[in-house]
Amino acid sequence: SQQGEEDPQALSIQEGENATMNCSYKTSINNLQWYRQNSGRGLVHLILIRSNEREKHSGRLRVTLDTSKKSSSLLITASRAADTASYFCATDAQSGYSTLTFGKGTMLLVSP
Amino acid sequence: EAQVTQNPRYLITVTGKKLTVTCSQNMNHEYMSWYRQDPGLGLRQIYYSMNVEVTDKGDVPEGYKVSRKEKRNFPLILESPSPNQTSLYFCASSFRAGQGIYGYTFGSGTRLTVV
Repeated sequence: SQQGEEDPQALSIQEGENATMNCSYKTSINNLQWYRQNSGRGLVHLILIRSNEREKHSGRLRVTLDTSKKSSSLLITASRAADTASYFCATDAQSGYSTLTFGKGTMLLVSP
Repeated sequence: EAQVTQNPRYLITVTGKKLTVTCSQNMNHEYMSWYRQDPGLGLRQIYYSMNVEVTDKGDVPEGYKVSRKEKRNFPLILESPSPNQTSLYFCASSFRAGQGIYGYTFGSGTRLTVV
């Protein structure tokens, strides 16, 4: 079952601009994670935010979590061409079996 | 280097010919999982394992088998592959703490084509 849904499906920006991606989910979670995938390669873990946290930073990444709205956002500041990739949110639900459920991803294109 | 190793990277096979995709991790992770990735459908979980000899079905287990005899290995078996199992497959592992599953480490993927 698809828990997280990213928005937008695709995003095209220029180098130096900020990129914001959103994720909505349906059930209560233990944590929410963001991953990056370059063109058919394996996904790479970017950042994890726990359900009792509201904001987290890692380098140029900023993640927010609003559990009342069941939503999260990933902000990439000062984007670079190397940030071009697909970005997925994944949720670790509190109920049900142990798993990470992924959304369908946002495809980000950063043009030089 | 901490990693998840999948083999093979690419595989073309014929309908009905049994195959195994291997997955091995060197991080002593308890939790391992298999996903398939299809255009427009995202990543869907096939099977997962919370520890040795403990496996369970994910969202799309039909047509697949797994085993977890050792902590480091989690092979995916297709007993009788069909064309609808043509996909990009990923193995992933993680440690667990309390109720949470923490960041997955993914393998590089196996692109399987069944003709």
